[in-house]
Amino acid sequence: QSVLTQPPSVSGAPGQRVTFSCTGSSSNIGSNYDVHWYQHLAGTAPRLLIYGENTRPSGVPDRFSGSKSRASASLVITGLQPEDEGDYFCQTYDRSLNGLVFGGGTKLTVL
Amino acid sequence: QVQLVQSGAEVKKPGSSVKVSCKASGDTFSSHAINWVRRAPGQGLEWMGRIIPMFGGATYPQRFRGRVTITADEVTSTAYMELSGLTSEDTAVYYCAGGGGPGYDFWSGRFDYWGQGTLVTVSS
Repeated sequence: QSVLTQPPSVSGAPGQRVTFSCTGSSSNIGSNYDVHWYQHLAGTAPRLLIYGENTRPSGVPDRFSGSKSRASASLVITGLQPEDEGDYFCQTYDRSLNGLVFGGGTKLTVL
Repeated sequence: QVQLVQSGAEVKKPGSSVKVSCKASGDTFSSHAINWVRRAPGQGLEWMGRIIPMFGGATYPQRFRGRVTITADEVTSTAYMELSGLTSEDTAVYYCAGGGGPGYDFWSGRFDYWGQGTLVTVSS
């Protein structure tokens, strides 16, 4: 059971917008630690999508965006594409655990 | 961009140990954080610890303390992760992942680049 809670699954049709939530607490996101998002597609290594709340590394399309509010964070994908299908994870630091933590992950299905 | 190349797949017996290597290209190895993350079948990503080679002294989450050892060789730009007391629950793909450079926040420790992954299978 992760200290960062993500819904197990979301789905959307091509072209639609989907939102991934990541709910933490005062010992992690609520303590203003940066939140990062990763995409993990089948058969590949995870990929950094968003860091520091809403910064995209070079090469990540602007269809991906992030935000943070209090002890929660969100990732939004607009213009959903079939190749976006996979698992998405949030990550930050937890001061009670004194270490880095991932959310449980959300599986995206493109209908 | 830094690239990480990991060693090949391993099959191990329960109770044994495994050591996975991760070789970095580029000249930032010593000053970047090298982490180890695993993903077991049907599970999520799990952080196993990290090291900054120029400082030494790896950090581990409580769950893995005493069972994982992370080391780094600055001469060969290679990091290692050794996991002992293997059980079937340690069957997973193990990744090394690095982070650093301008704007890097040590506390939240993002993973900028990843190795290709090493499958470790524990079976009798």
